[in-house]
Amino acid sequence: QSVLTQPPSASGTPGQRVTISCSGSSSNIGSNTVNWYQQLPGTAPKLLIYSNNQRPSGVPDRFSGSKSGTSASLDISGLQSEDEADYYCAGWDDSLNGVVFGGGTKLTAL
Amino acid sequence: EVQLLESGGGLVQPGGSLRLSCAASGFSFSYYAMTWVRQAPGKGLEWVSAISGGGGTTYYADSAKGRFTISRDNSKNTFYLQMNSLRAEDTAVYYCARAEYGDYSAFDIWGQGTMVTVSS
Repeated sequence: QSVLTQPPSASGTPGQRVTISCSGSSSNIGSNTVNWYQQLPGTAPKLLIYSNNQRPSGVPDRFSGSKSGTSASLDISGLQSEDEADYYCAGWDDSLNGVVFGGGTKLTAL
Repeated sequence: EVQLLESGGGLVQPGGSLRLSCAASGFSFSYYAMTWVRQAPGKGLEWVSAISGGGGTTYYADSAKGRFTISRDNSKNTFYLQMNSLRAEDTAVYYCARAEYGDYSAFDIWGQGTMVTVSS
């Protein structure tokens, strides 16, 4: 059972907007920033969003992040087939004094 | 080119030990906190341990406390994960990563991963 809770799967048709949620608590999302990772099959994860809503250089602007209270969301606008991947949220947990990940969401482009 | 390269993975018997290494290049290594993240076959990401840029501060997941030790040698641009008393549930791909943006959970550079298999 992961400290951060994500839906195990999500899907959408090409061009559609998809949202992946990440739920936590006051000791993690509620008091620290959230980061999002994309992991394509057989590859290392890639940082997609940091500090709740910032995109590293090279990440398309159709990826966006937000946070409210103890929850965060990753939005993908204009879904593309190459977006099929596993997505993870992560953040620091003050109670555990360590990093916590969500269980991951497998995104399928129908 | 900014790069991380892991080594040291392999097959080890339960109760055995293994030391993973992660060699960094292309950036000022001592300025950055570094971390280990693992992924069991078919499972999600699990954070293992982190170390500050100077090496004076370390953090561990509960699953690693008392068995794993993270360390670094800034003169060699390398950091390590010493794993003792290994269990079958430690079987995973181990990734090293760089923590950026002053955030121990924002990993902007990742290694390719090294497989650790704990089995008799």
